[in-house]
Amino acid sequence: AQTVTQSQPEMSVQEAETVTLSCTYDTSESNYYLFWYKQPPSRQMILVIRQEAYKQQNATENRFSVNFQKAAKSFSLKISDSQLGDTAMYFCAFMITYGNKLVFGAGTILRVKS
Amino acid sequence: DVKVTQSSRYLVKRTGEKVFLECVQDMDHENMFWYRQDPGLGLRLIYFSYDVKMKEKGDIPEGYSVSREKKERFSLILESASTNQTSMYLCASSPGGTSGYNEQFFGPGTRLTVL
Repeated sequence: AQTVTQSQPEMSVQEAETVTLSCTYDTSESNYYLFWYKQPPSRQMILVIRQEAYKQQNATENRFSVNFQKAAKSFSLKISDSQLGDTAMYFCAFMITYGNKLVFGAGTILRVKS
Repeated sequence: DVKVTQSSRYLVKRTGEKVFLECVQDMDHENMFWYRQDPGLGLRLIYFSYDVKMKEKGDIPEGYSVSREKKERFSLILESASTNQTSMYLCASSPGGTSGYNEQFFGPGTRLTVL
């Protein structure tokens, strides 16, 4: 069975600064995907970024990037130039390749302060 | 844009009532999911369906059942609601197929309170 652990229940960051959210996971699978989802206070969950385990290059989407360390089973999210609209709950999630089920971490509440 | 809608944003029910939560998606997705979201626990899968009339138990199916009579609609049923089922319920859908990854799209959630 796979598990996903987010050890930071809450974090805060000043507007325009950089913040990193941590995630570790455990699996015996070699082919899988990792995700970061964002859930703003309005509650609609959206996908922020995705990483394929077979790719060594870290995924990047605009101000969002990941640090994927496969051997360490670590998958952190870096948000650069934080904006007030980044305030949300962030979930790290795991899916085996060709699977359908997501396994989520407990989430990290991020508050961006002006 | 994929749209996943849920019948209610907020719902208050009494213990013992039968509760129906409805989810509709408009992108002809094969897969639909029901999750429960609780503080400190993240999202946990209750049930998912990979085709009409097909279902599979998730991690926490006890006390719940589901129905999928049409491809676009997936219902979660609490046969006899209990206070420990007070939670946020999220529906999601994803395409089927043989690609390695099928992105899940989420609805806005239903906050259910059982008194």
